[in-house]
Amino acid sequence: QKEVEQDPGPLSVPEGAIVSLNCTYSNSAFQYFMWYRQYSRKGPELLMYTYSSGNKEDGRFTAQVDKSSKYISLFIRDSQPSDSATYLCASWYSGGGADGLTFGKGTHLIIQP
Amino acid sequence: EAGVTQFPSHSVIEKGQTVTLRCDPISGHDNLYWYRRVMGKEIKFLLHFVKESKQDESGMPNNRFLAERTGGTYSTLKVQPAELEDSGVYFCASSQDVGGYSYEQYFGPGTRLTVT
Repeated sequence: QKEVEQDPGPLSVPEGAIVSLNCTYSNSAFQYFMWYRQYSRKGPELLMYTYSSGNKEDGRFTAQVDKSSKYISLFIRDSQPSDSATYLCASWYSGGGADGLTFGKGTHLIIQP
Repeated sequence: EAGVTQFPSHSVIEKGQTVTLRCDPISGHDNLYWYRRVMGKEIKFLLHFVKESKQDESGMPNNRFLAERTGGTYSTLKVQPAELEDSGVYFCASSQDVGGYSYEQYFGPGTRLTVT
């Protein structure tokens, strides 16, 4: 069982729609949950992170974590063609022996003009 | 402020050859990480430096991979001898250490390695 599961898509939505991207995780020790955006042939770009359960908003982006169901979400409001990219969720916890982030495979998002 | 840089952007080598990848972290970041993404798989952690010391190398696949970080600045990742399954994109990331936590990691553009 993968520690972080993410539907690879592609997910195609019209411009202006609300986008919902999701991940599930299996390791209850995870404390921090990150969303990265990756454009083709570029490195992952950190969008935002959340600690434990709750919501965090940054402009058109809202990250949500529900630790009881081990569910991670990213919502994008008023989606734009420039939002077309692969979105990666990642998780991390301290003291686990491995210092790196644990990634999902990423969801390929396409915003149709 | 300059981001994480990696060199080369793309390398094509034959099986059995040696390749060295370089990463320059964000200035002032003591933490440096190497990750790898092979085709169809998720990005996976390889190892973590704190300054010049290897903190965690639990993700290194085998002893054909050697990472160094001279003087706590840039890092190199050498693959010797390269095998076909080493093909993939190698990412470097760096972070500051905030109270012992280093989850806010910033990634470089990656080096695409192709072993033929």
